[in-house]
Amino acid sequence: DAKTTQPPSMDCAEGRAANLPCNHSTISGNEYVYWYRQIHSQGPQYIIHGLKNNETNEMASLIITEDRKSSTLILPHATLRDTAVYYCIVTNNAGNMLTFGGGTRLMVKP
Amino acid sequence: GAVVSQHPSRVICKSGTSVKIECRSLDFQATTMFWYRQFPKQSLMLMATSNEGSKATYEQGVEKDKFLINHASLTLSTLTVTSAHPEDSSFYICSAYASGGAKNEQFFGPGTRLTVL
Repeated sequence: DAKTTQPPSMDCAEGRAANLPCNHSTISGNEYVYWYRQIHSQGPQYIIHGLKNNETNEMASLIITEDRKSSTLILPHATLRDTAVYYCIVTNNAGNMLTFGGGTRLMVKP
Repeated sequence: GAVVSQHPSRVICKSGTSVKIECRSLDFQATTMFWYRQFPKQSLMLMATSNEGSKATYEQGVEKDKFLINHASLTLSTLTVTSAHPEDSSFYICSAYASGGAKNEQFFGPGTRLTVL
């Protein structure tokens, strides 16, 4: 599976959009981009995933660049409960095998 | 989304004892379950992949005789930490893979915090 690079930490003001970047320059054609988050002392929670088109659900939007070498997870209106570690994962098994990197620790501040 | 439970949520045991952790998929059948371990301030590390009715596949560096995995049914996998020692203290998380339909994804349990005294 391709390796991902994320900033170790980010801050965001409550109510503002949180934009979390992820680089995956070695992604191959059949690999998906998955995003999970982990709130302290809980199991990871699925957020969204995509292959090449932008995706949106009730939690977030996923923007994937045309060359697929990077993506951005957007939380449109961050709340204090969105404080968590966000993991960007690239996998070639449609979500079967997941390898977690360091993730981005997002701190939403009042 | 689908629900995965773990039991117990936390356990404290004495060094040398064995501890069993259960992972259940509550509303779907999981052909594959995964076991992860997470030390403080670190990311999740995959320990093993468990397929129903067959032997688990362990990641490099994980002792299969110490971390016994049983996947007897499509809704239950167990991880037994045998002869636990303080260095085994960690947050153990399972996940269950649901395939088919509009999306394939892993659903994670809430985790089990093991403290070995």
